[in-house]
Amino acid sequence: NAGVMQNPRHLVRRRGQEARLRCSPMKGHSHVYWYRQLPEEGLKFMVYLQKENIIDESGMPKERFSAEFPKEGPSILRIQQVVRGDSAAYFCASSRSGLGDEQFFGPGTRLTVL
Amino acid sequence: AQSVTQPDIHITVSEGASLELRCNYSYGATPYLFWYVQSPGQGLQLLLKYFSGDTLVQGIKGFEAEFKRSQSSFNLRKPSVHWSDAAEYFCAVGISGSARQLTFGSGTQLTVLP
Repeated sequence: NAGVMQNPRHLVRRRGQEARLRCSPMKGHSHVYWYRQLPEEGLKFMVYLQKENIIDESGMPKERFSAEFPKEGPSILRIQQVVRGDSAAYFCASSRSGLGDEQFFGPGTRLTVL
Repeated sequence: AQSVTQPDIHITVSEGASLELRCNYSYGATPYLFWYVQSPGQGLQLLLKYFSGDTLVQGIKGFEAEFKRSQSSFNLRKPSVHWSDAAEYFCAVGISGSARQLTFGSGTQLTVLP
């Protein structure tokens, strides 16, 4: 059973470009979470989604960031008009259901904004 | 809002020595508690979790943690450290309710000396 998959693993963008990060949850998991890890810091929650629904986006910046988890296909975290401060590791996690379920983390996408 | 404190940014121990990593949380009710390990350039792997019941929790790789409600702590321990344990360790808290986000501490970097 494949784990959580994220691609690309490394992404380089110039200021003003768009970044698209993809996350495929584990088989049988319908809950997806996105976290951001800045250098020398812990992970910060961004958004929690179920299929076709955003459940909690309290950690998402108000502008330029959006997330989706369509009925078919991976979850996508989209960052428009990237700035240097967006450089970070972005981790996706998935769980089967419920708070009691473990969140399984992907390897992350390391975004560098030049 | 809940918070997690890991007071030790960096810990160095000799191989074979015992280890204790500290974690304190702030939350009004009994939280769900987790310890994750992150190797360089990798995602997070769950070591152990506490939801209820026995306050001493056994995890993978020989780790254990003890939930102490009176001290709001969930310290991670290992009786004999191996060189392969060198990594960054994160304590996290999850809360009940509709939001299933995890709140992470800032991490403790473990160095193991030969």
